[in-house]
Amino acid sequence: KAGVTQTPRYLIKTRGQQVTLSCSPISGHRSVSWYQQTPGQGLQFLFEYFSETQRNKGNFPGRFSGRQFSNSRSEMNVSTLELGDSALYLCASTSRTGGFNEQFFGPGTRLTVL
Amino acid sequence: QKEVEQNSGPLSVPEGAIASLNCTYSDRGSQSFFWYRQYSGKSPELIMSIYSNGDKEDGRFTAQLNKASQYVSLLIRDSQPSDSATYLCAVKDGNQFYFGTGTSLTVIP
Repeated sequence: KAGVTQTPRYLIKTRGQQVTLSCSPISGHRSVSWYQQTPGQGLQFLFEYFSETQRNKGNFPGRFSGRQFSNSRSEMNVSTLELGDSALYLCASTSRTGGFNEQFFGPGTRLTVL
Repeated sequence: QKEVEQNSGPLSVPEGAIASLNCTYSDRGSQSFFWYRQYSGKSPELIMSIYSNGDKEDGRFTAQLNKASQYVSLLIRDSQPSDSATYLCAVKDGNQFYFGTGTSLTVIP
């Protein structure tokens, strides 16, 4: 089974621009979560989608948004980029096995804002 | 605010020793617990899941859960230099996963 895929893997943008990141979950997984990881803050939860609906949202400004499509693929968008948005953005898809959930991460998109 | 706490380390152990990583969590109702390994520059990789009190073993890894003490640990036996990484503890509550900040482990040859 193919793992979680994310595109692009690396991105360089300038302040004020916007960016869209894409995530394809493991086949059959319907829940997709997004995280921001920085050296100082660790893994910060952005949002979680299930069946095209946002179920949970972290404490990020409205510049961060996302959506999920009917095939479970997800995108996240960051508008009006700031220097502090430079981070590794991780997508994770969640399975349900034997009544319990496990979450698997993609390789991440490393965003650099100049 | 649900919290997951880990010692940031760094933790250094000699090759062949047992590495012990600890994690505490704030929500007594949490039911699912996970350990991830993250190599520098890479994404987290799930290495252990545990749902019941007691020990769960998988190769050189043993996860231990004590719900009464709200404590979960990971033991790595016969530590190898390739085990050098950051280990993240995660707790699932509802539909959301909560992560600790990670413990950096270095295995010295």
